[in-house]
Parts: sequence; C-alpha cells; structure tokens
Amino acid sequence: DIQMTQSPSSLSPSRGDRVTITCQASQDIKDNLNWYQQKPGKAPKILISGASNLETGVPSRFSGGGSGTYFTFSISSLQPEDIATYYCQQFDILPLTFGGGTKVEIK
Amino acid sequence: EVQLVESGGNLVQPGGSLKLSCAASGFTFSGSAIHWVRQASGKGLEWVGRIKSKANTYATAYAASVEGRFTISRDDSKNTAYLQMNSLKTEDTAVYYCTRLRSGSFSFDYWGQGTLVTVSS
Repeated sequence: DIQMTQSPSSLSPSRGDRVTITCQASQDIKDNLNWYQQKPGKAPKILISGASNLETGVPSRFSGGGSGTYFTFSISSLQPEDIATYYCQQFDILPLTFGGGTKVEIK
Repeated sequence: EVQLVESGGNLVQPGGSLKLSCAASGFTFSGSAIHWVRQASGKGLEWVGRIKSKANTYATAYAASVEGRFTISRDDSKNTAYLQMNSLKTEDTAVYYCTRLRSGSFSFDYWGQGTLVTVSS
C-alpha cells in the first residue's frame, strides 16, 4: 500500500498568515493526489484534484502543487472559515489511501 | 441537486452483521462508481472499498482490513448502493460515508452525511 505522510499534524497560525501543509507519498504517484477539507461533524469536501487543480467555487487562496512523491497544499491568507482538518489522498493505486490529516486552528 | 444519504448505522455486537444503504439522487447513479470511506471518532479517513458501474462490470475492490468480511453491491433501479458488513470487530466502529467518484478527475466530489456504526458488547 502507498503510505501518505502529512505534516504537520496540527498548526495554529494567526488570521491572515500563510499556511503550508506537506504530503509525502511512499512511492511515485505522479500527480494523482487530491486535497480535502473536513470541518467538525461534516463530510470532507474536495478542494484540489490532480495535485494542483482548484475545484470550482473554491477560493483562490487555496492552492496545491508537487508531483511524484512530494506535494504541498497552501492557504495564502488564513480566514476564520478555514478552520478545519485537511487531508491528502492518493488515487494512483488501490487501495486508495489518505494522509493522517492536518488540523488547522486559529491562534 | 446531488444527494447521497446513508442509512442503517446501529449498535451491533462483535461478530454481528449490518447492512448500510446509500441512496443517491440528482445525478446518473448507474454511470458512477461509488466508494465507502470510514472515520473512527477523532481519527482520519480510511478507504473501505468501491463498486464500479455496470459498464465496468460492477467491479469491486476492498481495503485489506475488510476484505472477506465486507461486500459492496448496488441496485441501479433503486439508485442505491449497499455495504454489507459481516464478522464485525470493535475496530470497525466508525462513521461510514458513501461518496461518488467523479470520473476524469478521480476525486470524491459528493459525500453523504455519514452513518454511525458502533461495534460493542
């Protein structure tokens, strides 16, 4: 199975800060990576597909990059509504696997 | 409006069985692959398995942790997918989500609200 290692597991930036999360795959997954946002008590929501493609309706402050085994997810200016847990997920090979999640809280 | 609604979650004893349903509306269900993802309380997301469309021979695949115990099926006439869970273990306790795989981008674009399965004596 492909292991997805996300870091950090949590962070507490201030409003307006830039936030960056990394996701490392245990083997080359090309750009077969998605990013999801999950708020407490809610289902996950797709933000970025194919490593860097912003979903329709998702604010442009969110972005993703990388390929192969190293990927990044960024929020350019953290807003209160961005408080959530973020997950990367690879779809290169079954079984599909998720990163452990990054919980973002506002300081 | 696209909707996925899970049902069937309950408290069940270890070794027992449970069948979850995922009722879909607002899109062409028969042409879509449906996946199940679970989340234990306070934990991350875990892929459970998937069933493809009729055009893809209703192919199924499962996580190793549920292989041989869980079975995914679908009834396209009812726009519903199912997750049959047998030989349940305490570690199967989780919220179970069904989700649609959007073809092309291979992302989960719509999710249900989740249904809670608790395995406990």
